[in-house]
Amino acid sequence: GAVVSQHPSRVICKSGTSVKIECRSLDFQATTMFWYRQFPKQSLMLMATSNEGSKATYEQGVEKDKFLINHASLTLSTLTVTSAHPEDSSFYICSARGLHVTEAFFGQGTRLTVV
Amino acid sequence: AQSVTQLGSHVSVSEGALVLLRCNYSSSVPPYLFWYVQYPNQGLQLLLKYTSAATLVKGINGFEAEFKKSETSFHLTKPSAHMSDAAEYFCAVAGSQGNLIFGKGTKLSVKP
Repeated sequence: GAVVSQHPSRVICKSGTSVKIECRSLDFQATTMFWYRQFPKQSLMLMATSNEGSKATYEQGVEKDKFLINHASLTLSTLTVTSAHPEDSSFYICSARGLHVTEAFFGQGTRLTVV
Repeated sequence: AQSVTQLGSHVSVSEGALVLLRCNYSSSVPPYLFWYVQYPNQGLQLLLKYTSAATLVKGINGFEAEFKKSETSFHLTKPSAHMSDAAEYFCAVAGSQGNLIFGKGTKLSVKP
């Protein structure tokens, strides 16, 4: 299957700082990328959907000014958690899908801990 | 709107026993259904998917699932559990945007 690389795998940051998470499709063009959040012992919840070159569409309850998503190229999307707080500590996972493809491929996930 | 329900948040089986993880779906359109496995602090690995072809879908690691429209089910099975199968399993249905809508997950424990 196609490869999606997510970086970093783990990050610890201080409260109030910003953290950027990268999601790259290594061997295909990702026309759509999805960002999910997974709290401990819970399922994955979609945060936002981004199409290359367009503004991201955020799910209800997700603050777009806090979770900045950029999808400027067909192989890279970034999620920036701005002014992070301890309640933002979570596992963030991206997935990428190419055009006319039914399957989206997942990155390895990023464990964010805000102290 | 699409949704999936996984019955049983925790399933425990003995090594060599049958694994059965239950998933029921709700969808207003013919669904695309998926099963993923997640090991601790890792991403998701696709086990198998149903995209309206054969109703019995064979996946990796000996897993398979059968799509039953009459029961709106897509249960995951494996004839003989291995210790390495211990993980969290998620059933998912494709949403209208191409995203996935996940169930709450089932943690599978395998006893020696």
